Amino acid sequence: QKEVEQNSGPLSVPEGAIASLNCTYSDRGSQSFFWYRQYSGKSPELIMFIYSNGDKEDGRFTAQLNKASQYVSLLIRDSQPSDSATYLCAVAGNQFYFGTGTSLTVIP
Amino acid sequence: DAGVIQSPRHEVTEMGQEVTLRCKPISGHDYLFWYRQTMMRGLELLIYFNNNVPIDDSGMPEDRFSAKMPNASFSTLKIQPSEPRDSAVYFCASSLASTGGFYIQYFGAGTRLSVL
Repeated sequence: QKEVEQNSGPLSVPEGAIASLNCTYSDRGSQSFFWYRQYSGKSPELIMFIYSNGDKEDGRFTAQLNKASQYVSLLIRDSQPSDSATYLCAVAGNQFYFGTGTSLTVIP
Repeated sequence: DAGVIQSPRHEVTEMGQEVTLRCKPISGHDYLFWYRQTMMRGLELLIYFNNNVPIDDSGMPEDRFSAKMPNASFSTLKIQPSEPRDSAVYFCASSLASTGGFYIQYFGAGTRLSVL
């Protein structure tokens, strides 16, 4: 079992819809959770991080964490074509692991 | 600040040759990370430094890989000898831990390595 698992996608949503990206992790001792966005041919950039159970909102982005279920998600409201990218989930505990990413395409 | 600077952006070499990748972290950052990204394995942490000292190199795939950080503004990742399976994009990232940002990492543009 991989330490961090994500559906590779591709996930396609129409412009204006909500995109939901999911991530599960295996280390119950993980404390910090991160979402990075990576455009094709570019480097990852941090867009959200969350440490506590519940929701954390930042503009159109909401990160959700459920430590009991070892699950973290990223919701993108009012999706835009510029949101089309690969989204990487990263988890920090005893080690720091990235998932392999979910490719999102927002269709105009 | 110019961000994390990596060189070269692209490297094409033949199997058996030595490859050296270079990184200049963001000024003032105290952590530096080297990653490798492939389609199959995703983004893998190879090694990281704190204040120029290697802290965890458990991700370095084998003895052919070595990394150094001689000062706060420069690090190298060396592969000797290189093999086709080393072909990947190598990223350098830096962070500032003092404000709780150890994992808030800023990535360089990456070096795309092709070993023929």
